[in-house]
Amino acid sequence: EVQLLESGGGLVQPGGSLRLSCAASGFTFSTFAMSWVRQAPGKGLEWVSAISPSGISTFYADSVKGRFTISRDNSKNTLYLQMSSLTAADTAVYYCAKSADGHTENSFDYWGQGTLVTVSS
Amino acid sequence: EIVLTQSPATLSLSPGERATLSCRASQSVSSYLAWYQQKPGQAPRLLIYDASNRATGIPARFSGSGSGTDFTLTINSLEPEDFAVYYCQQCSNWLTFGGGTKVEIK
Repeated sequence: EVQLLESGGGLVQPGGSLRLSCAASGFTFSTFAMSWVRQAPGKGLEWVSAISPSGISTFYADSVKGRFTISRDNSKNTLYLQMSSLTAADTAVYYCAKSADGHTENSFDYWGQGTLVTVSS
Repeated sequence: EIVLTQSPATLSLSPGERATLSCRASQSVSSYLAWYQQKPGQAPRLLIYDASNRATGIPARFSGSGSGTDFTLTINSLEPEDFAVYYCQQCSNWLTFGGGTKVEIK
């Protein structure tokens, strides 16, 4: 059974940093692209960042480019999102999502339960 | 950036009725379109990929159609558990989502 378990969310002050993790199990992690998708309270879904299976290629939405860094540790079956220079606009539930194959541009066949990031003073 | 426009924003229907949801892309996405269902407090669930293919475990009452810029998600004979928000997503030119359609009980 595929499982994605996010952690690391919480309350952070504007300008602060936070690192999210996503522990994956039930599939061969190193062969699938992964993404982070966020959802602000009461709003729709927004793709944030994607990473290739090897981790060599990374991609970002314009809204987070230069502030967020996606990475993965295939030996630990874990995906990360390092977030810095956070603003209130980054407040959202952050989902870890598995691509349907090795391509970063694809639908997401499994999602984690999400972790809430709140940016507030 | 490819913009996806979903309509209507809200669809009020009764159980047993058919739901027809629309997703229009600002430029062609070929068949690289997916549909998701999201219930309150839950993560999205993949329903349809590549415009018309049902994901694993998705009931046959869900069907997708379209190509290019115009797509439709049809839910035949709504079940109580189908009342939710539905999002389309394109993966032709990066990844963007539509604003969602809420299917509510009339």
